[in-house]
Amino acid sequence: AQSVTQPDIHITVSEGASLELRCNYSYGATPYLFWYVQSPGQGLQLLLKYFSGDTLVQGIKGFEAEFKRSQSSFNLRKPSVHWSDAAEYFCAAKDDKIIFGKGTRLHILP
Amino acid sequence: DSGVTQTPKHLITATGQRVTLRCSPRSGDLSVYWYQQSLDQGLQFLIHYYNGEERAKGNILERFSAQQFPDLHSELNLSSLELGDSALYFCASSVGGGTETQYFGPGTRLLVL
Repeated sequence: AQSVTQPDIHITVSEGASLELRCNYSYGATPYLFWYVQSPGQGLQLLLKYFSGDTLVQGIKGFEAEFKRSQSSFNLRKPSVHWSDAAEYFCAAKDDKIIFGKGTRLHILP
Repeated sequence: DSGVTQTPKHLITATGQRVTLRCSPRSGDLSVYWYQQSLDQGLQFLIHYYNGEERAKGNILERFSAQQFPDLHSELNLSSLELGDSALYFCASSVGGGTETQYFGPGTRLLVL
């Protein structure tokens, strides 16, 4: 069955440190891939998406993600996190319909 | 502000009841998507409408139904409510019906007592 896995439920990093959130997908063919962010009490906001082409995708708010076909991964990165990045992050994949991972909650230490 | 509006923001009701959630998409968007977010199930796609027609169905229960009206707003009807239906219900809209960016509304929090 198709699935999206985010292995880390919670991640804590210090402000200014680098960040990597993991996402693995299980699909027959490469799906479209997305990262969304959800701040408390808010809906989801699209950070970036990958359809094809360059495997390093730039998004909003300084985020980027790298698609690795051999690892079926689409990890989200940011070189230096800010306190305002504290939120829940969802990886998603879509072929005919979209499937979300369970999310990773990011905590930022001052 | 995504431009997608949802009403009501909160809804408290009892088991067995029926409720209607409303979504107004961004101006110009033809697609509306409905999602359910709960602690145990996570974020799940329910249904997609494009320009008034159903395009795709996800994990939507038979007790739930949706429609999109000529003015493109959408309603999600939940009936014979159970405790497990308590969740945050989001709608999202996009210009087309493919892989365009979906813009999410703030959600309706439903509590079934």
